[in-house]
Amino acid sequence: AQSVTQPDIHITVSEGASLELRCNYSYGATPYLFWYVQSPGQGLQLLLKYFSGDTLVQGIKGFEAEFKRSQSSFNLRKPSVHWSDAAEYFCAVVKQAGTALIFGKGTTLSVSS
Amino acid sequence: GAGVSQSPSNKVTEKGKDVELRCDPISGHTALYWYRQSLGQGLEFLIYFQGNSAPDKSGLPSDRFSAERTGGSVSTLTIQRTQQEDSAVYLCASSLQVRGEQFFGPGTRLTVL
Repeated sequence: AQSVTQPDIHITVSEGASLELRCNYSYGATPYLFWYVQSPGQGLQLLLKYFSGDTLVQGIKGFEAEFKRSQSSFNLRKPSVHWSDAAEYFCAVVKQAGTALIFGKGTTLSVSS
Repeated sequence: GAGVSQSPSNKVTEKGKDVELRCDPISGHTALYWYRQSLGQGLEFLIYFQGNSAPDKSGLPSDRFSAERTGGSVSTLTIQRTQQEDSAVYLCASSLQVRGEQFFGPGTRLTVL
């Protein structure tokens, strides 16, 4: 069955340090992949998406992600984290036989000063 | 350019009562999705509408859950005979294209006492 795995439940990063959030997926074909962010009490906001083409995609707020088919991964990165990046981050893939999203369990990011 | 709106923002009900949750998608978006977010289960897909029809209802957890969409716009999710395990945040999303970016509403927090 399709699934999305985010191995890290909680990560703490110092402000100004780099960030990488891991995402692995299981999928039978070329996946449509997304990263969403959810701040406390807020809805989900799309950071970036991958459909095809260049495997390094740029998103909002200085985030980027790299699709690696050989590793079934779509890791999210940011070179320098800001305190306002503290939130929960979700990786998602579109269902193979449908259009709905399958989400990972999320990674909570804390930023220390 | 209003986003996806949901009402009510919070709903507290007693076990056994019926509840209706409403979603107003972004104007012109033909695809509409309902998801549920709970502590134990994370983000789960419930149902997908394309126009007024629901080609994918595979995520509805029981026959107590139903949804409809009228006029290709507003959707209502109904939960009959609510149970405590129905307590969650119910999220609605809409998209312009099939498999396109989904825009999420702020959610309805349902608490079943």
